[in-house]
Amino acid sequence: NAGVMQNPRHLVRRRGQEARLRCSPMKGHSHVYWYRQLPEEGLKFMVYLQKENIIDESGMPKERFSAEFPKEGPSILRIQQVVRGDSAAYFCASSQSGNEAFFGQGTRLTVV
Amino acid sequence: ELKVEQNPLFLSMQEGKNYTIYCNYSTTSDRLYWYRQDPGKSLESLFVLLSNGAVKQEGRLMASLDTKARLSTLHITAAVHDLSATYFCAVDNRNSGYALNFGKGTSLLVTP
Repeated sequence: NAGVMQNPRHLVRRRGQEARLRCSPMKGHSHVYWYRQLPEEGLKFMVYLQKENIIDESGMPKERFSAEFPKEGPSILRIQQVVRGDSAAYFCASSQSGNEAFFGQGTRLTVV
Repeated sequence: ELKVEQNPLFLSMQEGKNYTIYCNYSTTSDRLYWYRQDPGKSLESLFVLLSNGAVKQEGRLMASLDTKARLSTLHITAAVHDLSATYFCAVDNRNSGYALNFGKGTSLLVTP
């Protein structure tokens, strides 16, 4: 049973480009959480999704950020028109309903 | 808003010494987690504490939970260099879909 898979592991984007981060949850998990970790800081919750539904996006910046978890395929975190301040590690975690969530290896986004 | 505070944020200790990291949280939570993170890596789950008075031990690390005081401790016994890492506590709550609220982390350096 493969763990939570995130790709790419490292992503470099120029200012103004779009970044797409992918997360494939563990088999049997239908709940996905995205977190952002800025340098030298803890993780901050961004968004909680179930299949085809955004349950809680209270941690998402209001502009440029969006997330989806389609019926088929991975969850996607999309950042449009990236800025230097978006440089961070983005972690995805998945769980079965109400159970402990497991983390992926993260995507480290660098905006140049 | 659920707040999680850890202290100390930085800890330098000699090999063989004991020390305790503290984690306070502001409102009722369902579970408390301790994670380890090595530089550039993902989070490794160390302990999940569910109930008041819970105590778990793994090797040189022992975690405890006092839900009445909203306090968890991570005790390090006879530290070794391999324990050098950043340690995070986090809590979740069913009212927020079990999204995790993290402390800022304790950066631990164990020196000879």
